[in-house]
Amino acid sequence: KAGVTQTPRYLIKTRGQQVTLSCSPISGHRSVSWYQQTPGQGLQFLFEYFSETQRNKGNFPGRFSGRQFSNSRSEMNVSTLELGDSALYLCASSTVPGQGSQYFGPGTRLLVL
Amino acid sequence: DAKTTQPPSMDCAEGRAANLPCNHSTISGNEYVYWYRQIHSQGPQYIIHGLKNNETNEMASLIITEDRKSSTLILPHATLRDTAVYYCIVRPANAGGTSYGKLTFGQGTILTVHP
Repeated sequence: KAGVTQTPRYLIKTRGQQVTLSCSPISGHRSVSWYQQTPGQGLQFLFEYFSETQRNKGNFPGRFSGRQFSNSRSEMNVSTLELGDSALYLCASSTVPGQGSQYFGPGTRLLVL
Repeated sequence: DAKTTQPPSMDCAEGRAANLPCNHSTISGNEYVYWYRQIHSQGPQYIIHGLKNNETNEMASLIITEDRKSSTLILPHATLRDTAVYYCIVRPANAGGTSYGKLTFGQGTILTVHP
């Protein structure tokens, strides 16, 4: 079974731009969670989606948003990029919502200049 | 979610067992212990989880003390590829409310396996 895939793997943007990252969960997994990882803050939860609905959201500004499609694929968007948004963005999928056993993708490394 | 305490770093010789401790003295009755690891620049990898009984899978064993206040992840024959940051997380199996879908990662233990 294919794992979680994320595209693109690497991205360079400039301040003020916006970016959209994509995540395809493991086949049959309907829940997708997103995380941000930085050297200073570690791994932090962004949000979780199930059945095209956001079920939980972490403590991030409104510039960070996401959505989930009917095929369980998910996208996250960051608008008005700031230097501090440079990070590894990870998505994870699980079979049922709220589950503790999550399977992570390789991440998208975003650099904001 | 209950807080966990892990040593910041540990060393292990290749081929020997690696025993990674985790303290979770405030764990609640419905909270499970989960272990993940993250190899440099990759996404975290789920290893194992348990409630109160010891658990074993193809990757590792999880030993949880009888009072559930601490646990140990055991990699029985560590290899160089096991060098990674290991995270111990405590949370309900299917968490609702503000814990819904959320894993709270601490700083973890950097395990270095030496030849």
